[in-house]
Amino acid sequence: DTEVTQTPKHLVMGMTNKKSLKCEQHMGHRAMYWYKQKAKKPPELMFVYSYEKLSINESVPSRFSPECPNSSLLNLHLHALQPEDSALYLCASSQGAGYTEAFFGQGTRLTVV
Amino acid sequence: DQQVKQNSPSLSVQEGRISILNCDYTNSMFDYFLWYKKYPAEGPTFLISISSIKDKNEDGRFTVFLNKSAKHLSLHIVPSQPGDSAVYFCAASNIQGAQKLVFGQGTRLTINP
Repeated sequence: DTEVTQTPKHLVMGMTNKKSLKCEQHMGHRAMYWYKQKAKKPPELMFVYSYEKLSINESVPSRFSPECPNSSLLNLHLHALQPEDSALYLCASSQGAGYTEAFFGQGTRLTVV
Repeated sequence: DQQVKQNSPSLSVQEGRISILNCDYTNSMFDYFLWYKKYPAEGPTFLISISSIKDKNEDGRFTVFLNKSAKHLSLHIVPSQPGDSAVYFCAASNIQGAQKLVFGQGTRLTINP
């Protein structure tokens, strides 16, 4: 199994809603990531979990809250988002720290209205 | 400050010919480089990587060349096939922030029959 699975594929939410994005991998990878990609822009790193601990937070606003319940799962909790937060949210995983390539999921297309 | 640059937003190549995608970087601390391919509505797919201790890495139709003195890398695809039409992202990392990939803006490659 070489897949990173993200749910849902599409999400529309209001600015007062609370929602969660989910990501799962069964490759035994110990590092998991959240990236954000706006249209015609490259992916930008948001968070990194290494061995289930948050190791990198790229100064992301607190309305985005990551959670890593176990080594296979990664969530991104969303609350009080703004329309400019609309983007493709990508989850990725890699074997761990070091020069290992990251495998990406298909992404969740988020629209904030 | 864009640390990884892909100066060609698009490239059109005839089927069967060689496709050459270019990438420049400014951070001399980068020592690991990757190429990803992205189809619309999908996450990036890892293609090939190279460490700074090498100047060339080959995998089937894909070859990556690294010129450290020029801070330049390129991806060669030969022969080009219609299925290669996608957006290609160059990414870089360094030993201290190995889990953090910095992406270029991407180059849209179109293979014409």
